Amino acid sequence: DIQMTQSPSTLSASVGDRVTITCRASQSIGTWLAWYQQKPGKAPNLLIYKASTLQSGVPSRFSGSGSDTEFTLTISSLQPDDFATYCCQQYEAYPYTFGQGTKLEIK
Amino acid sequence: EVQLVESGGGLIHPGGSLRLSCVASGLTVSSNYMSWVRQAPGKGLEWVSIIYSGGSTYYADSLKGRFTISRDNSKNTLYLQMNSLRDEDTAVYHCARVQLKESRLNGMDVWGQGTTVSV
Repeated sequence: DIQMTQSPSTLSASVGDRVTITCRASQSIGTWLAWYQQKPGKAPNLLIYKASTLQSGVPSRFSGSGSDTEFTLTISSLQPDDFATYCCQQYEAYPYTFGQGTKLEIK
Repeated sequence: EVQLVESGGGLIHPGGSLRLSCVASGLTVSSNYMSWVRQAPGKGLEWVSIIYSGGSTYYADSLKGRFTISRDNSKNTLYLQMNSLRDEDTAVYHCARVQLKESRLNGMDVWGQGTTVSV
């Protein structure tokens, strides 16, 4: 199975900050990577697919980059609604696998 | 509005069976690629299974032989049959649509709120 490792596990930041979350794959997955936002007790919300394509309706302050084994999710200017957990998911091969998540907290 | 609503979760003893349901509205289950994803308490997301519009199915290696994904086209409903349940199967189970974009499966864009299974 392809292992997905995110860093950091927790990130403290303030409204207006620029933040970056990293996701590493244990083998090359091309650009077959998605990013999700999840709030407590809620279902995940797809933000980005194919590593860098913004899902319809997602604010442009979210962006993704990377390929092969290293990927990043960047939020350019944090808004109050962005404090949540973010996770990556590879879909290059079955079984699909997720990163363990990065919790974005208010500093 | 596109919506997925899961049901069928509950408290079950180890070794027991449960069948989860996911009723879709605003989308046709049989025409889409549908998945189950679970989340154990305090843990990350774990992919469980997928069923293609054509009927092919794939599973997480650790669940093969115990879990079965299926659908009822007349009811526009997705199912997950779970047998020989173990403590580690305790989780919230979500169904989700895997979107077909640019001729390729590209992330899960519609999710249900989930149903809780406690073993």
